[in-house]
Amino acid sequence: ILNVEQSPQSLHVQEGDSTNFTCSFPSSNFYALHWYRWETAKSPEALFVMTLNGDEKKKGRISATLNTKEGYSYLYIKGSQPEDSATYLCAFGSFQKLVFGTGTRLLVSP
Amino acid sequence: GAGVSQSPSNKVTEKGKDVELRCDPISGHTALYWYRQSLGQGLEFLIYFQGNSAPDKSGLPSDRFSAERTGGSVSTLTIQRTQQEDSAVYLCASSYGGGQTQETQYFGPGTRLLVL
Repeated sequence: ILNVEQSPQSLHVQEGDSTNFTCSFPSSNFYALHWYRWETAKSPEALFVMTLNGDEKKKGRISATLNTKEGYSYLYIKGSQPEDSATYLCAFGSFQKLVFGTGTRLLVSP
Repeated sequence: GAGVSQSPSNKVTEKGKDVELRCDPISGHTALYWYRQSLGQGLEFLIYFQGNSAPDKSGLPSDRFSAERTGGSVSTLTIQRTQQEDSAVYLCASSYGGGQTQETQYFGPGTRLLVL
């Protein structure tokens, strides 16, 4: 059974703080690692798909890194804003399906 | 363009009743997926379609669950004789190509199912 773990489970920061989350996944048979942002009552929104060891991706104030040899990925948010409040999900690509972690719930207070 | 749509957005049913959940994928997407999130759990894979075929049904939790896809487009997930443990958010996603793991899957807003 594939195990994808995310930490912390939840995080509460102040506007302007920078923050980061961790996603741990199996280091063998790696194909792809996905990050999603899921706001309440909305569809999960794709942030990044990462496939190569050492990959770094950036989208505005959000960036992610990937280490496939040790089986982890970091998601960084620089200068958090209230609109960044959401659950951030990582997912390990396994054949045609995604195996998701339980997510990190971020709350950014003004 | 239009994203993935799902209906109904919310469904309350009584234990033992059958329910049907519908997914309309993005036009032109050949791959379609169903996932669900139970309370306190991560998103859990249920079934994957490529066109109208389902090469991977490994995530369906019991034979009460079935799904079909017609015309390479709309999909219906049916749960027979619902149980309280079926209460969850059911999400549908689609992707453009052959279901490769590096393809982005685009999600709908989900159907929130509550079984009383």
